[in-house]
Amino acid sequence: EPEVTQTPSHQVTQMGQEVILRCVPISNHLYFYWYRQILGQKVEFLVSFYNNEISEKSEIFDDQFSVERPDGSNFTLKIRSTKLEDSAMYFCASSDWPSGNTIYFGEGSWLTVV
Amino acid sequence: DAKTTQPTSMDCAEGRAANLPCNHSTISGNEYVYWYRQIHSQGPQYIIHGLKNNETNEMASLIITEDRKSSTLILPHATLRDTAVYYCIVLLYSSASKIIFGSGTRLSIRP
Repeated sequence: EPEVTQTPSHQVTQMGQEVILRCVPISNHLYFYWYRQILGQKVEFLVSFYNNEISEKSEIFDDQFSVERPDGSNFTLKIRSTKLEDSAMYFCASSDWPSGNTIYFGEGSWLTVV
Repeated sequence: DAKTTQPTSMDCAEGRAANLPCNHSTISGNEYVYWYRQIHSQGPQYIIHGLKNNETNEMASLIITEDRKSSTLILPHATLRDTAVYYCIVLLYSSASKIIFGSGTRLSIRP
């Protein structure tokens, strides 16, 4: 069964460093998302991406964050100048919209900022 | 998107059917009911969705009331691996939507 894959599964980084989280969405999907979940809290929407541009973003997704589709298969989330409070699980997702409207999530990348 | 209301927690005996309710009284005609679950800190997992007819797949059944103001997710033979937080979400089908996760129902399956 097709699935969303994410790398790395866990990354530890020093405060102030830049981090890139990578995702390979399901191959025929065109709509992509990033979510995050701080330990013990709800899953929060960060950004959606379609047709090589941001479709929607939340208040969390400020200038510290950026997304990119560098090639035909990868979708990345870059976090610049990481802060302690960026420690969270980051989930990538993709949707089969417009043929359907079901969102499928990856298993997440756990980011620890020290 | 319509707001949903779910119980905070439920429990069920292993092997029995787990019935998880959801109220969505403000749902509009072109909104679908979706169910997801999150096992521990894994990625949210899609379970099932429906518009007005009852739906069944290999994971669960979805029963939507005739007025569409509430629904029930049924896990027919719950196992310990079904212990998770279950989210009932209402989404427009006509445009690409984002999921806004609430608190969901924490389902515990007891041996």
